Amino acid sequence: EPEVTQTPSHQVTQMGQEVILRCVPISNHLYFYWYRQILGQKVEFLVSFYNNEISEKSEIFDDQFSVERPDGSNFTLKIRSTKLEDSAMYFCASSLTKGRLNTEAFFGQGTRLTVV
Amino acid sequence: AQTVTQSQPEMSVQEAETVTLSCTYDTSENNYYLFWYKQPPSRQMILVIRQEAYKQQNATENRFSVNFQKAAKSFSLKISDSQLGDTAMYFCAPLSAGNMLTFGGGTRLMVKP
Repeated sequence: EPEVTQTPSHQVTQMGQEVILRCVPISNHLYFYWYRQILGQKVEFLVSFYNNEISEKSEIFDDQFSVERPDGSNFTLKIRSTKLEDSAMYFCASSLTKGRLNTEAFFGQGTRLTVV
Repeated sequence: AQTVTQSQPEMSVQEAETVTLSCTYDTSENNYYLFWYKQPPSRQMILVIRQEAYKQQNATENRFSVNFQKAAKSFSLKISDSQLGDTAMYFCAPLSAGNMLTFGGGTRLMVKP
């Protein structure tokens, strides 16, 4: 069964460093997303991406964040200068369509980011 | 913005029994989708069931079913014949027109042998 894969599973970084979280969405999916879950808190939407551009973004997704689909298969989330409060589980997701049918998002297993 | 309330932070159920997890939400949209996701200790988010708001019939997926009350903006999940593997966090999540999921705070379900 096709699945969304994320690497690495756990990333530890020093405050102020840049990190790139990687995702390979399901191959025929067209919409891609990043969500995050701070430990003990709700899962929060960060950004959606379609046709090589951002479709929607939340207020969490500030100038420190960027997304890219560099090669047609990977979908990356970059945090330019990490802060302690960026420590969270980051989930990538993809969906086939937007709107009516096949709109459900399939999630990867997550990347746990720890900023020290 | 949508708000989602799951009023039961924790629940437990005996194996083979039935349990219902509640969810209420607020939305100004008329046509939308609702999902229940399961997050086991591995922390991966797994889709359990979906409901389309324009359909009156409640969705069913094997042992999982929903009770969708559109006017009341209520979307509860019933798990029948609970199994140990159902132990997880369960999140209710409506989908907005922008294709964003808004997650509730979750209900931690423990299935006891």
